Amino acid sequence: DIQMTQSPSFLSASVGDRVTINCKASQNINKYLNWYQQKLGEAPKLLIYNTNNLQTGIPSRFSGSGSGTDYTLTISSLQPEDVATYFCLQHSSRPFTFGSGTKLEIK
Amino acid sequence: EVQLVESGGGLVQPGRSMKLSCAASGFTFNNYDMAWVCQAPKKGLEWVATISYDGSSTYYRDSVKGRFTISRDNAKSTLYLQMDSLRSEDTATYYCARQWSFDYWGQGVMVTVSS
Repeated sequence: DIQMTQSPSFLSASVGDRVTINCKASQNINKYLNWYQQKLGEAPKLLIYNTNNLQTGIPSRFSGSGSGTDYTLTISSLQPEDVATYFCLQHSSRPFTFGSGTKLEIK
Repeated sequence: EVQLVESGGGLVQPGRSMKLSCAASGFTFNNYDMAWVCQAPKKGLEWVATISYDGSSTYYRDSVKGRFTISRDNAKSTLYLQMDSLRSEDTATYYCARQWSFDYWGQGVMVTVSS
């Protein structure tokens, strides 16, 4: 199974800050990496698919990058509504596996 | 608008069975592979099972193989998860998701396995 190591597990930042969250795969996942936002009590929402493709309707302050085993989600200017937990998902091979999550709060 | 609505959860005793349903609308259901994903309380997400667009292929995580069965009825645009021999560790919120990049998810249904 491909292990996804996500960091940090917790992040506190100020409104307007640039924020980065990382996922490292235990083997090459060929850019089959998605990022999700999950707010309390809600279903995960797709932000970025296949490393760097912005899902329809998602603000452009969200972006993704990476290749091979290392991937990054960037929020260019943190907004209050971005408070949530963020997960990565590798869908390169079954069993598909998720990162353990990053809880993002506003300072 | 794509909608996925799960139903069928609740409290069940260990060793018993439960069947979840996911009603899909807003897209051509029989064009897409579908999946179930679970999230145990205060834990991360885990892929559970996938079924191909026509139901001909199914895939499961090891911990549910032989106990869970994913199926679909394309005429009713509905996805199912039959869960047998339930264990306490199966307690989780279960989400159905469209497997094109797992782009749309339902709101989830809670399954609690406890005596």
